[in-house]
Amino acid sequence: SAVISQKPSRDICQRGTSLTIQCQVDSQVTMMFWYRQQPGQSLTLIATANQGSEATYESGFVIDKFPISRPNLTFSTLTVSNMSPEDSSIYLCSVEWADTFGSGTRLTVV
Amino acid sequence: ELKVEQNPLFLSMQEGKNYTIYCNYSTTSDRLYWYRQDPGKSLESLFVLLSNGAVKQEGRLMASLDTKARLSTLHITAAVHDLSATYFCAVQGGSEKLVFGKGTKLTVNP
Repeated sequence: SAVISQKPSRDICQRGTSLTIQCQVDSQVTMMFWYRQQPGQSLTLIATANQGSEATYESGFVIDKFPISRPNLTFSTLTVSNMSPEDSSIYLCSVEWADTFGSGTRLTVV
Repeated sequence: ELKVEQNPLFLSMQEGKNYTIYCNYSTTSDRLYWYRQDPGKSLESLFVLLSNGAVKQEGRLMASLDTKARLSTLHITAAVHDLSATYFCAVQGGSEKLVFGKGTKLTVNP
């Protein structure tokens, strides 16, 4: 299984600011996925990040709010932009075959 | 659209007892996953089930898959306190995206 390093592990941010979350994989993967887990809830897919093409966003998520980069086959970033308290969640990345998740980023917006 | 229904959502058990968590899904899929999540942590992969009739066991947990009924079960045998966690099933849909159930919060009481 791939090993995914995700950072930061947690952050407390002011509303209106942005936070960029990074995921580094120890092997090359075609697909990377970004999920959000709101407090006490399940995971919801934000977008799929493929290297060399724009990310594909799920219904309810837009690029202006959650821009994603995928510069190579081992790395991706998710930015949470213009944050509000409703963005307080755990954000997780995963890869194809889905047996491994990053350690998660616990975001609190105040 | 793929939907995943998991029940029960909350489960309080006594140590030594057996119980089953159910995961129903709405459309055909190639893969079904079971994960464990401890509070404040990421997801830990427990099982990947690929074919009809698949059964996998690890310690006190056993997972099975019936693709015809679109049903997977996670059976807990002789529960112990260390099994207290939230358990998610997730089903792979198109483009390898995962759709998660709402999770089952398991509490094992002495």
